Amino acid sequence: AQTIHQWPVAEIKAVGSPLSLGCTIKGKSSPNLYWYWQATGGTLQQLFYSITVGQVESVVQLNLSASRPKDDQFILSTEKLLLSHSGFYLCAWSPRPRAETLYFGSGTRLTVL
Amino acid sequence: QQKVQQSPESLIVPEGAMTSLNCTFSDSASQYFAWYRQHSGKAPKALMSIFSNGEKEEGRFTIHLNKASLHFSLHIRDSQPSDSALYLCAVSISSGSWQLIFGSGTQLTVMP
Repeated sequence: AQTIHQWPVAEIKAVGSPLSLGCTIKGKSSPNLYWYWQATGGTLQQLFYSITVGQVESVVQLNLSASRPKDDQFILSTEKLLLSHSGFYLCAWSPRPRAETLYFGSGTRLTVL
Repeated sequence: QQKVQQSPESLIVPEGAMTSLNCTFSDSASQYFAWYRQHSGKAPKALMSIFSNGEKEEGRFTIHLNKASLHFSLHIRDSQPSDSALYLCAVSISSGSWQLIFGSGTQLTVMP
């Protein structure tokens, strides 16, 4: 069975500080990977997606970047956090690139002060 | 750009009632339509999906899609308190990059 693990569970960071969030998928080779962001009380918004190692497509520009260094790992990062980055970050995977069910990780709750 | 809107924003129903949730979208070329459920503080989880016009039933849940009307819905028969959650509809777009666009959600409360 496939499992998806996100880290950390929660972060409290200062404005202007760097950030790195991670996601690992086990039990599925070559998954399609996604980063989503949900502001408190807001809509779930797709940020990035990746269909293979080293290849990441940006969907929304929020001064964030993503990388896929390994087949089973997806990293979201920024060098300088903004207050507007606060929210719930969710990593997800799907077995095919288009029109398939997304399986979400448990998420990282980020508070920027 | 695909726009996805849900109604109502919130809904309170008694236990045992039929619940109906609605979703409208702007681009009929989309091929994938889904409902997700998100309990407070948790990640969304897929409930049901549909690819073509018509109905699909799974247990107490029925999804209905009408592409011509740019509308799809979720019906919950015999609603239970454990069904209380945020329900999100999602529609795919495939112009260039693939995206799944979510609605803002309907907060459902089922009263025992």
